[in-house]
Amino acid sequence: DTAVSQTPKYLVTQMGNDKSIKCEQNLGHDTMYWYKQDSKKFLKIMFSYNNKELIINETVPNRFSPKSPDKAHLNLHINSLELGDSAVYFCASSQEFGFNYGYTFGSGTRLTVV
Amino acid sequence: AQTVTQSQPEMSVQEAETVTLSCTYDTSESNYYLFWYKQPPSRQMILVIRQEAYKQQNATENRFSVNFQKAAKSFSLKISDSQLGDTAMYFCAFTNRNNNNDMRFGAGTRLTVKP
Repeated sequence: DTAVSQTPKYLVTQMGNDKSIKCEQNLGHDTMYWYKQDSKKFLKIMFSYNNKELIINETVPNRFSPKSPDKAHLNLHINSLELGDSAVYFCASSQEFGFNYGYTFGSGTRLTVV
Repeated sequence: AQTVTQSQPEMSVQEAETVTLSCTYDTSESNYYLFWYKQPPSRQMILVIRQEAYKQQNATENRFSVNFQKAAKSFSLKISDSQLGDTAMYFCAFTNRNNNNDMRFGAGTRLTVKP
């Protein structure tokens, strides 16, 4: 069983569209995250959720919104897509009190906006 | 704010040889955790090794070991007996309690193992 799964793996869409990326973890972790990896491979935290509460919200455009229906899921919604949103988006999870063991990452979603 | 710096954008090593990747970090905290992640062309992020700051002993995982110098805020990764499958991006990362568990990454080092 995949520990952290993201869908879709690839997403190509036109500017102005609205899209969602789904993430699910079966590890029983308390906290889930979204990271953005740009074309230079730099990884930056976007959001994290702990027990359905947003605990980190970096300076990302409000076109991006995380939604967590339950502890095992954290979806990323993106409205009015722009060319600059093209990147690889990673979902990850960790135990709240076991973050020192590191994160478990999904395999990433490559988003291409044309 | 905590920062992580990897000063080597690219490195290469011959198969079976040893290579060391550098990482420095900046923090005022005393209790924190450091990690090395590997990202092969498949783009999956794979945890290679972790180090707890309060432990003086350097972590080792098979062919991978670290040189943790807390006073110098240095955390280098040594790969022994390099294999072709070690070709990947390597990211140094930092986290602690006061960061809301947020893991901060360095810019990465692209390692190529040559046959």
